Amino acid sequence: DGGITQSPKYLFRKEGQNVTLSCEQNLNHDAMYWYRQDPGQGLRLIYYSQIVNDFQKGDIAEGYSVSREKKESFPLTVTSAQKNPTAFYLCASSWTSGRGPNEQFFGPGTRLTVL
Amino acid sequence: GQNIDQPTEMTATEGAIVQINCTYQTSGFNGLFWYQQHAGEAPTFLSYNVLDGLEEKGRFSSFLSRSKGYSYLLLKELQMKDSASYLCAVRDRNDYKLSFGAGTTVTVRA
Repeated sequence: DGGITQSPKYLFRKEGQNVTLSCEQNLNHDAMYWYRQDPGQGLRLIYYSQIVNDFQKGDIAEGYSVSREKKESFPLTVTSAQKNPTAFYLCASSWTSGRGPNEQFFGPGTRLTVL
Repeated sequence: GQNIDQPTEMTATEGAIVQINCTYQTSGFNGLFWYQQHAGEAPTFLSYNVLDGLEEKGRFSSFLSRSKGYSYLLLKELQMKDSASYLCAVRDRNDYKLSFGAGTTVTVRA
């Protein structure tokens, strides 16, 4: 079955530690995205990538880093520089060519809690 | 950038109709999306509008007016399972990233 996987579903870390969230897709999508969602708020874009080995900052990139070494994978590192890292993190992917909406498909999310 | 507004909460009765409005101000426009998100879960795609008019898909319909920067999502014959947050999102003209509104939480009562 095609889809997007994120692991782990729940993650706990101590303050000051870096942590990497996994995102893998087997939909052969070109583009991948990372969002952060806080309670009662919409999704805010952290980073996105439209092609392997290239990525761009979103609206709230400070304190985060990404890599796109493979088309299928787009890991997100939450660094100790991120002041309020506790949140629900969602990864998404989409096509970027052809006709149609090219809607984004979302993974199940990772809920990160920093203690 | 994009500025997207939608109501915070709406409540309706099972079997009724609810209309969720979304207004946007954008520097570039390449489509408007509606997503449904149940609590603690990932958003799922509901509808897409890029031209003015109404798109119907079963119990859900979405309308767009580009000149007014306005869209609505219409949910008919409400069911308890429709209780969720509904997110309006606008795609930028120059790339494929989306800007999301804060979401509208719809509560369906028996």
